[in-house]
Amino acid sequence: EAGVTQFPSHSVIEKGQTVTLRCDPISGHDNLYWYRRVMGKEIKFLLHFVKESKQDESGMPNNRFLAERTGGTYSTLKVQPAELEDSGVYFCASSLRWSTPYEQYFGPGTRLTVT
Amino acid sequence: TQLLEQSPQFLSIQEGENLTVYCNSSSVFSSLQWYRQEPGEGPVLLVTVVTGGEVKKLKRLTFQFGDARKDSSLHITAAQPGDTGLYLCAGPQVNAGNNRKLIWGLGTSLAVNP
Repeated sequence: EAGVTQFPSHSVIEKGQTVTLRCDPISGHDNLYWYRRVMGKEIKFLLHFVKESKQDESGMPNNRFLAERTGGTYSTLKVQPAELEDSGVYFCASSLRWSTPYEQYFGPGTRLTVT
Repeated sequence: TQLLEQSPQFLSIQEGENLTVYCNSSSVFSSLQWYRQEPGEGPVLLVTVVTGGEVKKLKRLTFQFGDARKDSSLHITAAQPGDTGLYLCAGPQVNAGNNRKLIWGLGTSLAVNP
């Protein structure tokens, strides 16, 4: 069974540009999460989808970030326009709908560098 | 605000030594998870502890959840180079309801030298 995959693995963009990150969860996992780790800080929750619905987006930093999960399969996270402080590693995770307690499977992450 | 503090932040030991890393909070958690992360990869779940005082073993790794469910420890016996990695603890946010937000520690970076 394939694990969580993320694309791209690395992205280097200039301030003001747009970047779209993609996450493909494990097949059959209704829960999909986005996290971010900024250098020197702990991993921080961004948002949680249940199928195509946003269950919790309280961790999204601001309105420059837009996450979608059309059809309840893969998800995209768009940053527009990117700022220097958006640099970090963006992780996606997925889990079964009723898995307990909070056992999530992580992708390898996308390392985003904004210059 | 719930916080998870991990110590030590860095640890470098020789193969065969024993070690313990800690995950502490002033808040009560319903459960705590331990993950290991290797360079270029995402965190991989090792174990979940749920009951206060619970002890779980995974080969040479022993995980303990504090009686008050505010802290946890990971003990590795006879460490091997393959144990090298970043060890992270995480726990669900209190009052998250149906939401599943995890709070994370900064991690302990372990290097086991041959």
